[in-house]
Amino acid sequence: ETGVTQTPRHLVMGMTNKKSLKCEQHLGHNAMYWYKQSAKKPLELMFVYSLEERVENNSVPSRFSPECPNSSHLFLHLHTLQPEDSALYLCASSHSRPGTGAEAFFGQGTRLTVV
Amino acid sequence: QKEVEQNSGPLSVPEGAIASLNCTYSDRGSQSFFWYRQYSGKSPELIMSIYSNGDKEDGRFTAQLNKASQYVSLLIRDSQPSDSATYLCAVNQAAGNKLTFGGGTRVLVKP
Repeated sequence: ETGVTQTPRHLVMGMTNKKSLKCEQHLGHNAMYWYKQSAKKPLELMFVYSLEERVENNSVPSRFSPECPNSSHLFLHLHTLQPEDSALYLCASSHSRPGTGAEAFFGQGTRLTVV
Repeated sequence: QKEVEQNSGPLSVPEGAIASLNCTYSDRGSQSFFWYRQYSGKSPELIMSIYSNGDKEDGRFTAQLNKASQYVSLLIRDSQPSDSATYLCAVNQAAGNKLTFGGGTRVLVKP
Protein backbone atom coordinates (compact mmCIF):
# COMPACT_ATOMS: atom_id res chain seq x y z
CA GLU A 1 0.00 0.00 0.00
CA THR A 2 1.48 3.35 -1.03
CA GLY A 3 1.90 6.01 1.65
CA VAL A 4 -0.02 8.75 -0.18
CA THR A 5 -2.83 7.78 -2.52
CA GLN A 6 -4.62 10.10 -4.93
CA THR A 7 -7.78 9.47 -6.88
CA PRO A 8 -8.64 9.68 -9.66
CA ARG A 9 -5.37 9.35 -11.56
CA HIS A 10 -6.84 11.02 -14.64
CA LEU A 11 -9.78 13.39 -14.95
CA VAL A 12 -11.33 15.13 -17.92
CA MET A 13 -13.97 17.70 -17.10
CA GLY A 14 -15.92 20.40 -18.80
CA MET A 15 -15.78 24.00 -17.70
CA THR A 16 -19.23 23.80 -16.11
CA ASN A 17 -18.63 20.56 -14.22
CA LYS A 18 -18.02 20.07 -10.52
CA LYS A 19 -15.56 17.41 -9.48
CA SER A 20 -13.38 16.56 -6.50
CA LEU A 21 -9.86 15.22 -6.14
CA LYS A 22 -9.14 12.98 -3.18
CA CYS A 23 -5.93 12.34 -1.28
CA GLU A 24 -5.35 9.89 1.56
CA GLN A 25 -2.15 9.34 3.52
CA HIS A 26 -1.23 6.33 5.67
CA LEU A 27 2.03 7.70 7.08
CA GLY A 28 0.77 9.17 10.33
CA HIS A 29 1.59 12.69 9.13
CA ASN A 30 -0.26 15.76 10.34
CA ALA A 31 0.35 18.17 7.47
CA MET A 32 -1.01 17.85 3.93
CA TYR A 33 -0.47 19.89 0.79
CA TRP A 34 -1.86 20.50 -2.67
CA TYR A 35 0.60 21.39 -5.44
CA LYS A 36 -0.04 22.23 -9.07
CA GLN A 37 2.44 21.34 -11.78
CA SER A 38 1.81 22.85 -15.21
CA ALA A 39 3.86 21.97 -18.25
CA LYS A 40 7.35 23.48 -18.13
CA LYS A 41 6.62 25.31 -14.87
CA PRO A 42 7.88 24.69 -11.34
CA LEU A 43 5.74 23.08 -8.71
CA GLU A 44 3.33 25.65 -7.29
CA LEU A 45 2.14 25.33 -3.72
CA MET A 46 -1.63 25.83 -3.56
CA PHE A 47 -2.75 24.96 -0.03
CA VAL A 48 -1.24 23.72 3.21
CA TYR A 49 -3.14 22.11 6.05
CA SER A 50 -1.38 21.58 9.35
CA LEU A 51 -3.24 19.77 12.13
CA GLU A 52 -6.36 20.02 9.95
CA GLU A 53 -6.24 23.82 9.82
CA ARG A 54 -5.52 25.67 6.61
CA VAL A 55 -2.27 27.56 7.16
CA GLU A 56 -1.46 28.59 3.61
CA ASN A 57 -3.49 29.70 0.65
CA ASN A 58 -1.24 30.90 -2.12
CA SER A 59 -3.66 33.28 -3.84
CA VAL A 60 -5.46 30.40 -5.45
CA PRO A 61 -8.68 31.26 -7.36
CA SER A 62 -11.89 30.44 -5.54
CA ARG A 63 -12.83 27.87 -8.18
CA PHE A 64 -10.45 25.63 -6.22
CA SER A 65 -11.78 24.78 -2.77
CA PRO A 66 -9.80 22.54 -0.38
CA GLU A 67 -11.22 20.46 2.43
CA CYS A 68 -9.35 18.60 5.15
CA PRO A 69 -11.83 16.64 7.32
CA ASN A 70 -9.08 14.85 9.28
CA SER A 71 -5.31 14.42 9.27
CA SER A 72 -5.47 11.51 6.81
CA HIS A 73 -7.71 12.95 4.11
CA LEU A 74 -7.54 15.95 1.85
CA PHE A 75 -9.88 16.98 -0.93
CA LEU A 76 -9.73 19.57 -3.68
CA HIS A 77 -13.16 20.57 -4.94
CA LEU A 78 -13.23 21.94 -8.46
CA HIS A 79 -15.93 24.01 -10.17
CA THR A 80 -16.14 26.19 -13.26
CA LEU A 81 -12.52 25.57 -14.16
CA GLN A 82 -10.73 27.06 -17.14
CA PRO A 83 -8.63 25.26 -19.77
CA GLU A 84 -5.49 26.85 -18.28
CA ASP A 85 -6.20 24.91 -15.07
CA SER A 86 -5.24 21.72 -16.89
CA ALA A 87 -2.21 20.38 -15.02
CA LEU A 88 -0.88 17.64 -12.78
CA TYR A 89 -2.26 18.10 -9.26
CA LEU A 90 -0.10 16.60 -6.57
CA CYS A 91 -0.93 15.88 -2.97
CA ALA A 92 1.82 15.55 -0.37
CA SER A 93 2.06 14.95 3.35
CA SER A 94 4.66 15.45 6.06
CA HIS A 95 5.10 15.77 9.79
CA SER A 96 4.39 19.28 10.99
CA ARG A 97 7.32 20.46 13.09
CA PRO A 98 7.61 24.10 14.11
CA GLY A 99 10.94 25.61 13.17
CA THR A 100 12.42 22.76 11.17
CA GLY A 101 10.38 21.24 8.42
CA ALA A 102 10.16 17.61 7.53
CA GLU A 103 10.37 15.90 4.18
CA ALA A 104 7.18 15.63 2.17
CA PHE A 105 6.01 12.52 0.38
CA PHE A 106 3.91 12.78 -2.74
CA GLY A 107 0.98 10.88 -4.14
CA GLN A 108 0.94 9.72 -7.76
CA GLY A 109 -0.92 12.85 -8.86
CA THR A 110 -4.12 13.52 -10.78
CA ARG A 111 -3.71 14.53 -14.40
CA LEU A 112 -6.54 17.02 -14.96
CA THR A 113 -7.69 18.15 -18.38
CA VAL A 114 -10.31 20.88 -18.66
CA VAL A 115 -12.14 20.96 -21.98
CA GLN B 1 14.38 37.09 -7.08
CA LYS B 2 12.98 33.57 -7.09
CA GLU B 3 12.92 31.89 -3.70
CA VAL B 4 14.63 28.71 -4.90
CA GLU B 5 16.66 28.77 -8.11
CA GLN B 6 18.05 25.97 -10.23
CA ASN B 7 19.57 25.82 -13.68
CA SER B 8 16.91 24.24 -15.89
CA GLY B 9 19.45 22.32 -17.97
CA PRO B 10 19.50 19.93 -19.63
CA LEU B 11 22.66 18.74 -17.95
CA SER B 12 24.13 16.11 -20.21
CA VAL B 13 26.64 13.70 -18.66
CA PRO B 14 28.23 10.52 -20.01
CA GLU B 15 27.47 7.26 -18.28
CA GLY B 16 29.81 6.70 -15.36
CA ALA B 17 30.60 10.40 -14.88
CA ILE B 18 29.64 12.66 -11.99
CA ALA B 19 26.58 14.88 -12.37
CA SER B 20 26.70 18.07 -10.30
CA LEU B 21 23.52 20.01 -9.62
CA ASN B 22 23.26 23.33 -7.81
CA CYS B 23 20.48 25.18 -6.05
CA THR B 24 20.39 28.59 -4.37
CA TYR B 25 17.74 29.90 -2.01
CA SER B 26 16.79 33.33 -0.75
CA ASP B 27 15.43 32.76 2.77
CA ARG B 28 18.47 32.85 5.05
CA GLY B 29 16.43 31.34 7.87
CA SER B 30 15.66 28.13 5.97
CA GLN B 31 16.25 25.02 8.01
CA SER B 32 15.57 21.98 5.84
CA PHE B 33 16.69 21.12 2.34
CA PHE B 34 15.63 18.29 0.08
CA TRP B 35 16.36 16.82 -3.30
CA TYR B 36 13.60 15.08 -5.23
CA ARG B 37 13.82 13.13 -8.47
CA GLN B 38 10.92 13.30 -10.92
CA TYR B 39 10.60 11.09 -13.95
CA SER B 40 8.49 12.36 -16.81
CA GLY B 41 4.78 12.00 -16.02
CA LYS B 42 5.45 10.79 -12.47
CA SER B 43 5.34 12.43 -9.07
CA PRO B 44 8.47 13.65 -7.25
CA GLU B 45 10.38 11.08 -5.20
CA LEU B 46 12.51 12.11 -2.22
CA ILE B 47 16.14 11.07 -2.63
CA MET B 48 18.05 13.19 -0.11
CA SER B 49 17.45 15.45 2.85
CA ILE B 50 20.04 17.64 4.58
CA TYR B 51 19.72 19.88 7.61
CA SER B 52 23.22 21.00 8.60
CA ASN B 53 26.25 22.42 6.82
CA GLY B 54 28.57 19.97 5.14
CA ASP B 55 28.18 16.80 3.11
CA LYS B 56 25.75 13.95 3.43
CA GLU B 57 26.27 10.78 1.43
CA ASP B 58 23.75 8.10 0.56
CA GLY B 59 24.89 5.54 -1.96
CA ARG B 60 25.81 7.29 -5.20
CA PHE B 61 24.26 10.56 -4.03
CA THR B 62 25.98 13.29 -2.01
CA ALA B 63 24.18 16.41 -0.85
CA GLN B 64 26.20 19.46 0.16
CA LEU B 65 24.85 22.39 2.15
CA ASN B 66 26.42 25.80 2.71
CA LYS B 67 24.05 28.01 4.67
CA ALA B 68 26.41 31.01 4.68
CA SER B 69 26.38 31.06 0.88
CA GLN B 70 22.75 29.88 0.70
CA TYR B 71 23.30 27.02 -1.67
CA VAL B 72 22.74 23.32 -1.68
CA SER B 73 24.09 20.92 -4.25
CA LEU B 74 23.66 17.31 -5.29
CA LEU B 75 26.34 15.08 -6.74
CA ILE B 76 25.45 11.86 -8.55
CA ARG B 77 28.46 9.56 -8.89
CA ASP B 78 28.76 6.83 -11.51
CA SER B 79 25.77 8.25 -13.37
CA GLN B 80 23.49 5.69 -15.01
CA PRO B 81 20.94 6.13 -17.82
CA SER B 82 18.26 5.43 -15.22
CA ASP B 83 19.33 8.63 -13.44
CA SER B 84 17.95 10.63 -16.39
CA ALA B 85 15.19 12.69 -14.80
CA THR B 86 14.39 16.14 -13.48
CA TYR B 87 15.90 16.88 -10.08
CA LEU B 88 14.01 19.27 -7.85
CA CYS B 89 15.55 21.23 -5.01
CA ALA B 90 13.13 21.99 -2.17
CA VAL B 91 13.61 24.27 0.80
CA ASN B 92 11.49 24.42 3.92
CA GLN B 93 11.41 28.04 4.94
CA ALA B 94 11.82 29.14 8.50
CA ALA B 95 8.19 30.07 9.03
CA GLY B 96 5.62 27.36 8.79
CA ASN B 97 5.42 24.27 6.63
CA LYS B 98 6.03 25.96 3.31
CA LEU B 99 8.09 23.65 1.15
CA THR B 100 9.22 25.73 -1.82
CA PHE B 101 10.53 24.05 -4.95
CA GLY B 102 12.96 25.21 -7.55
CA GLY B 103 12.14 24.80 -11.21
CA GLY B 104 14.19 21.64 -11.48
CA THR B 105 17.27 20.61 -13.45
CA ARG B 106 16.81 18.09 -16.23
CA VAL B 107 19.62 15.54 -16.31
CA LEU B 108 20.37 13.36 -19.33
CA VAL B 109 22.81 10.48 -18.87
CA LYS B 110 24.08 9.22 -22.20
CA PRO B 111 25.31 5.62 -22.58
